[in-house]
Amino acid sequence: DAGVIQSPRHEVTEMGQEVTLRCKPISGHNSLFWYRQTMMRGLELLIYFNNNVPIDDSGMPEDRFSAKMPNASFSTLKIQPSEPRDSAVYFCASSASGGGETQYFGPGTRLLVL
Amino acid sequence: GENVGLHLPTLSVQEGDNSIINCAYSNSASDYFIWYKQESGKGPQFIIDIRSNMDKRQGQRVTVLLNKTVKHLSLQIAATQPGDSAVYFCAEKAGTYKYIFGTGTRLKVLA
Repeated sequence: DAGVIQSPRHEVTEMGQEVTLRCKPISGHNSLFWYRQTMMRGLELLIYFNNNVPIDDSGMPEDRFSAKMPNASFSTLKIQPSEPRDSAVYFCASSASGGGETQYFGPGTRLLVL
Repeated sequence: GENVGLHLPTLSVQEGDNSIINCAYSNSASDYFIWYKQESGKGPQFIIDIRSNMDKRQGQRVTVLLNKTVKHLSLQIAATQPGDSAVYFCAEKAGTYKYIFGTGTRLKVLA
């Protein structure tokens, strides 16, 4: 099993540019989570999908952030326009449980917005 | 990809010794807890979990203790190895699918 796959692993962009992060969850998992990790705030839940449907996006910082899950094997997190304060590591995690127990995290995307 | 705060506590242990990492949680009604290990540049990795109807749970070289009276979790690692060096943090279930993650403790294993 390849685990959760994220791409790109590193992204450096300039303020104002659009950034798209991608995630492929573990096959058969019906829950998908996007998290952001920073030194100051630790790990924060951005959005949670269950069976491809966004259930809770209350953690999405603002309208510049959007996420989609067009099918069970793919999700994107988009930031448009990006700002320096968006610099962080973004993780995707998937779980076979609707309760999110035993979440498997991807390797993360390190985003740097200049 | 390290779950660190400005004042991330660090625990240094000699290789072969036992390690104990502590975590305080916030909600006395939380009924499920997880310990994660995060190595540099990697995502958090599930180590062990425990439900609130248990006080102790053992895995391979790891034991989690839960003290509901004082809202405290601990992770014990037996015979600590260099590969155990990482940041460890706990997570408490705060709803149907939400978790509150601790800021973490860095474990350094000294050869």
